[in-house]
This record gives sequence, structure tokens and C-alpha cells, in this order.
Amino acid sequence: GQQVMQIPQYQHVQEGEDFTTYCNSSTTLSNIQWYKQRPGGHPVFLIQLVKSGEVKKQKRLTFQFGEAKKNSSLHITATQTTDVGTYFCAGRKSSGDKLTFGTGTRLAVRP
Amino acid sequence: NAGVTQTPKFQVLKTGQSMTLQCAQDMNHNSMYWYRQDPGMGLRLIYYSASEGTTDKGEVPNGYNVSRLNKREFSLRLESAAPSQTSVYFCASRNYEQFFGPGTRLTVL
Repeated sequence: GQQVMQIPQYQHVQEGEDFTTYCNSSTTLSNIQWYKQRPGGHPVFLIQLVKSGEVKKQKRLTFQFGEAKKNSSLHITATQTTDVGTYFCAGRKSSGDKLTFGTGTRLAVRP
Repeated sequence: NAGVTQTPKFQVLKTGQSMTLQCAQDMNHNSMYWYRQDPGMGLRLIYYSASEGTTDKGEVPNGYNVSRLNKREFSLRLESAAPSQTSVYFCASRNYEQFFGPGTRLTVL
């Protein structure tokens, strides 16, 4: 079946440093979504990418969808303590299909 | 608009006991989902319902049953709980994005 892997599993950064998490799918995706889960909370939708090579920005967050639509990345510039949490990518093989979630990257930020 | 609600928030069961986790959404979404989340495992899909009256197995359906009672409600039942089912359970509904409920933290002793 479809597998979605994320690296790293865990990253601990100093506040102000940049952070990147990478997402890789075993199959070509129709679209990919990113979610953030704060400690003790539930996943919350951040963004969806659909087009090959697409890049979207939300303030300090930059999301990219690979040319082959099999990988994606989330980059956070100048991390803040409010960025703490686990970031999940989730891919869909076709528009009506269910999402397959990645394993997640947990981000810790030292103030 | 409450979004997605789940009850209970916490539950402790003994091995062999049964229980039903309730989920309801007020966003008029067709699709609803049940996930479990274990440390280091991400979110794994247990069952989903693409529309009222239909249900399908996800990645880890063994030991669970579901009922899509109507468009709003999607319940998850553990008939005979096992320690391996200790987890956090999330219900979600979907339009463009998935909206998650607050989760149920279940411990099976």
C-alpha cells in the first residue's frame, strides 16, 4: 500500500534558527496537505498543494511540492516557541481518495 | 458551529470490556474518518465513511466496528478491548481539508 515517510522524526532547534521537514511518498500523489498538531492537541490543517513544483508561503512557513509529485517539504524561517508541535504531511493518490498521513516530525524550540 | 465533537475525552477499560466512541460534526460533510495515534506512528486510519450509509476499512480495522448513524454521526465500537488498543483516537470530517475532533484518550488495562 501507499507509504508516506517524513524525516527527521524529531528536531530540536534554538529559537531563531530555521527548520525543515521532508515528506516522501512511495507513489505519485494527486495532492498533499500539511497539518500541525500542538502538544496535547489535535491536527489542524495548514495548507494543500496540488500542482507539480508548487510553492506556497504562509508568513514564515514555505511549502513545496516536488516536480514528480512524490515529495514535499515544509520550511520554517526563524523559528519561534509558538512553532512547537508535530508537523504531518498527508497525501492523496486521487482527488476522491482517503488521505495517508506521514509519520510526522516533532519540533522543539529552545527559547 | 462546534465543528467535530467527540465523547468521551478520556476512558479507562479493562481487557475484554466493550465501549463506543461517539463522533458528531455539524459542517454537513459527507466524509468522516476514525484514526488512532500512537507515539512515533503518526495517524493510522481505522475506518472511514465516504457518505451516509457507507463504511470502508482503513489501514488498521481489526478489533473495531463502525456505524454511520446519519450524516452527522460516526461511531467507533470496540467489542472486546485489548491493551494493544491503548491509544488516542481522533475522528475527522472532510470537505476540502480534514477537521479533527479533540480526541479520546483510551487506556486498556
